[in-house]
Amino acid sequence: AQSVTQPDIHITVSEGASLELRCNYSYGATPYLFWYVQSPGQGLQLLLKYFSGDTLVQGIKGFEAEFKRSQSSFNLRKPSVHWSDAAEYFCAVGPNDYKLSFGAGTTVTVRA
Amino acid sequence: DTGVSQNPRHKITKRGQNVTFRCDPISEHNRLYWYRQTLGQGPEFLTYFQNEAQLEKSRLLSDRFSAERPKGSFSTLEIQRTEQGDSAMYLCASSSLQRQGSYEQYFGPGTRLTVT
Repeated sequence: AQSVTQPDIHITVSEGASLELRCNYSYGATPYLFWYVQSPGQGLQLLLKYFSGDTLVQGIKGFEAEFKRSQSSFNLRKPSVHWSDAAEYFCAVGPNDYKLSFGAGTTVTVRA
Repeated sequence: DTGVSQNPRHKITKRGQNVTFRCDPISEHNRLYWYRQTLGQGPEFLTYFQNEAQLEKSRLLSDRFSAERPKGSFSTLEIQRTEQGDSAMYLCASSSLQRQGSYEQYFGPGTRLTVT
């Protein structure tokens, strides 16, 4: 069975600073990996995904993530955070692209 | 493309009552998914449909839960004899095959259920 750990429950970052959100997964084979963002009152929005190929994946809103098989990680990064990036971020893993297991999420607060 | 819609957005019910939620997927999306999200947790997969066929159900989906997708369009999720533990956000998502051969799930805003 697959599982996801997001070690950081809450992160506070200054506007303009860099952001890195950690995601560790457990899965026997090469997984499908995703990052979603959820703003209050909004549905989850896909930021990026990894299935195969280049391990550095570019997504929307200036986000990127790197798949590291040796560390079972898929960390999300953004070089310069905007106030609108304040939200909850979820990492998800699956054996395919339909049966996803989500982490508990990381809440990002952006201070001025 | 008007996005995935869910109704109602909020539902308060008394324990033991039945409730039904509706999900309207993005038109022409052939896959539809239901998830449950409790406070402080990520979404948990419940079930999914390809067209009108329900292809997989999680063990989380007890006998009190039933989902349908008649004619492969909208879907309903019914919970019978609700319990306080059913209080959660119920999320619906839909997808279709992308050019790169994968399915990207688009989520609705959810229905928040409170069982008193």
